[in-house]
Amino acid sequence: QSVLTQPPSASATPGQRVTISCSGSSSNIGSNSVCWYQQLPGTAPKLLIYRNNQRPSGVPDRFSGSKSGTSASLAISGLRSEDEADYYCAAWDDSLSGHVVFGGGTKLTVL
Amino acid sequence: QLQESGPGLVKPSETLSLTCTVSGGSISSSSYYWGWIRQPPGKGLEWIGSVSSGGRTYYNPSLKSRVTMSVDTSKNQFSLRLSSVTAADTAVFYCARWYGGTYSWFDPWGQGTLVTVSS
Repeated sequence: QSVLTQPPSASATPGQRVTISCSGSSSNIGSNSVCWYQQLPGTAPKLLIYRNNQRPSGVPDRFSGSKSGTSASLAISGLRSEDEADYYCAAWDDSLSGHVVFGGGTKLTVL
Repeated sequence: QLQESGPGLVKPSETLSLTCTVSGGSISSSSYYWGWIRQPPGKGLEWIGSVSSGGRTYYNPSLKSRVTMSVDTSKNQFSLRLSSVTAADTAVFYCARWYGGTYSWFDPWGQGTLVTVSS
């Protein structure tokens, strides 16, 4: 059972917009920033979004992040086949002397 | 770049030891922490812990009693030791640079190394 809650799966067709939610609590998302990782099949995770809505250099602006209260969302617009991957949210949690928590991951299928 | 190394097979009850070699920059650069994350086959990501170049550590509360992390600045490496392993510790282990605190994120990541716990 992950501390951050994500839907296990999502799907959309090419060109569409899809959003993935991440729900937490006051000790993590509610008081700290959220980041998102993309994990393509058989590869290491890659940072997609940090500080709630910042994109590292090289990440297309089709990817965007937002946060409100104790929840966050990742949006992907103009969906492409190569976006098919697992997506994970993460945040710092202030409880228990502080630790990193991850969501359980969302498998995105491009139909 | 980061590269994990270590045995791919560990026996139950023994200690898993992995090293991450950092290239292209000094591990001692200020404000950097370094972390370990694992992923059991077919499952999600789990943070193991993080360590600063000065040796300050943060550990996952659920693993704290079994985890030790350290840094060797002379070799530009940091290490993970996980004791008393069981089959449940079988996973791909990733090392990564950690921007810690309230703005926590990991970037970049190593390619990962599979460690199997089996007799």
